[in-house]
Amino acid sequence: DTAVSQTPKYLVTQMGNDKSIKCEQNLGHDTMYWYKQDSKKFLKIMFSYNNKELIINETVPNRFSPKSPDKAHLNLHINSLELGDSAVYFCASSQVTGSAFFGQGTRLTVV
Amino acid sequence: AQSVTQLDSQVPVFEEAPVELRCNYSSSVSVYLFWYVQYPNQGLQLLLKYLSGSTLVKGINGFEAEFNKSQTSFHLRKPSVHISDTAEYFCAVGNRDDKIIFGKGTRLHILP
Repeated sequence: DTAVSQTPKYLVTQMGNDKSIKCEQNLGHDTMYWYKQDSKKFLKIMFSYNNKELIINETVPNRFSPKSPDKAHLNLHINSLELGDSAVYFCASSQVTGSAFFGQGTRLTVV
Repeated sequence: AQSVTQLDSQVPVFEEAPVELRCNYSSSVSVYLFWYVQYPNQGLQLLLKYLSGSTLVKGINGFEAEFNKSQTSFHLRKPSVHISDTAEYFCAVGNRDDKIIFGKGTRLHILP
């Protein structure tokens, strides 16, 4: 009965590979997000979707492409992975003006 | 544009002592304010939130925060900390555009 679930929890891959992280929420929320947390714990918003539509796209390389097949899912695809992409990626969801519920995070390590 | 400032990157506190974690924000529109906690190797958990109404907000685990509009602050307090409160604490601001911006976090160290 996890509210926001993301898979995988850990992802180790080589530079240049393409990988995807999946996120699903069962809270019925309209808005979903992807955040990146770097090694210094700084959380930065990457994308925000509302009802499957992209509403926030921060300065993120084009190699990152979010996809929302429906309101409950927001996946993150990353092309040509680089060492600097290593971080913890958090998916979250919220209702309009509400607080965000976060997934457990995906620790991505690029070697 | 909105921003959140957490001036203290680390706060050491003795067990059972009170603690205050500082948060200041800037925004040109009405805001919603949040405090999240991140325990080691875990995701973020909502501690408390201010949307409107009473400026003193009570959250989980004995934490509370006070919204001060004139000082643009939303400091987090607990009267007596426990070793289990060791974690990273994030202040965040949101608005009607559904964009939640986080501060850089404050690591709370509980000393025995």
